[in-house]
Amino acid sequence: DIQMTQSPSSLSASVGDRVIITCRASQGIATYLAWYQQKPGKAPNLLIYGASTLQSGVPSRFSGSQSGTAFTLTISSLQPEDVATYYCQKYDRAPFTFGPGTKVDIK
Amino acid sequence: QVQLIQSGAEGKKPGASVKVSCKASGYNISTHYMHWVRQAPGQGFEWMGIMNPSGGNPRYAQKFQGRITMTTETSTSTVYMELTGLESEDTAIYYCARGYGIGCHLCIHNWLDSWGQGTLVTVSS
Repeated sequence: DIQMTQSPSSLSASVGDRVIITCRASQGIATYLAWYQQKPGKAPNLLIYGASTLQSGVPSRFSGSQSGTAFTLTISSLQPEDVATYYCQKYDRAPFTFGPGTKVDIK
Repeated sequence: QVQLIQSGAEGKKPGASVKVSCKASGYNISTHYMHWVRQAPGQGFEWMGIMNPSGGNPRYAQKFQGRITMTTETSTSTVYMELTGLESEDTAIYYCARGYGIGCHLCIHNWLDSWGQGTLVTVSS
């Protein structure tokens, strides 16, 4: 099975900072990669699908990109409401594996 | 709008079974796959399986083969996930989530666009 890794596992940044989270697949998954945001005590919320397509209603400060089997989620200007854990997930085929998550908080 | 409403929290003894329900509204349940995902306390997400609510064989993660069953009751737009042989390691929040894709029904490549609120299953003697 394809393995998903994420880095860093956690980060602390200031309001207004640019934040970059990386997700890597152990094999090619084309653009079949989604990003989710989970706030404490809540169900996850879809941010991005197709590696770079922003889900309707998600603020434009979130963006996704891809280079081969490496995917990045960028928050262009971190806001207090972005404190959450972020997960990537592949959906090329079963199993639809998630990355281990990246916890983001405010410095 | 799309809503997935799950059944309430469950407390089970080791060796028991649990059946979690997920009632869909706001769309035709037959047109999208449904996934089940779980999250142990303080941990990440573990994908458990995917089902076609219209029928056909679900696809289960290898780890759960033999003790998981996903079923549908189309008349009530409700899907179910049953897990048997519970152990303490099965203590987790269980989520149903709709698999969505653009330009197709029951898209093979589908992301999880709507999630239930989660059902806490606690396994303890």
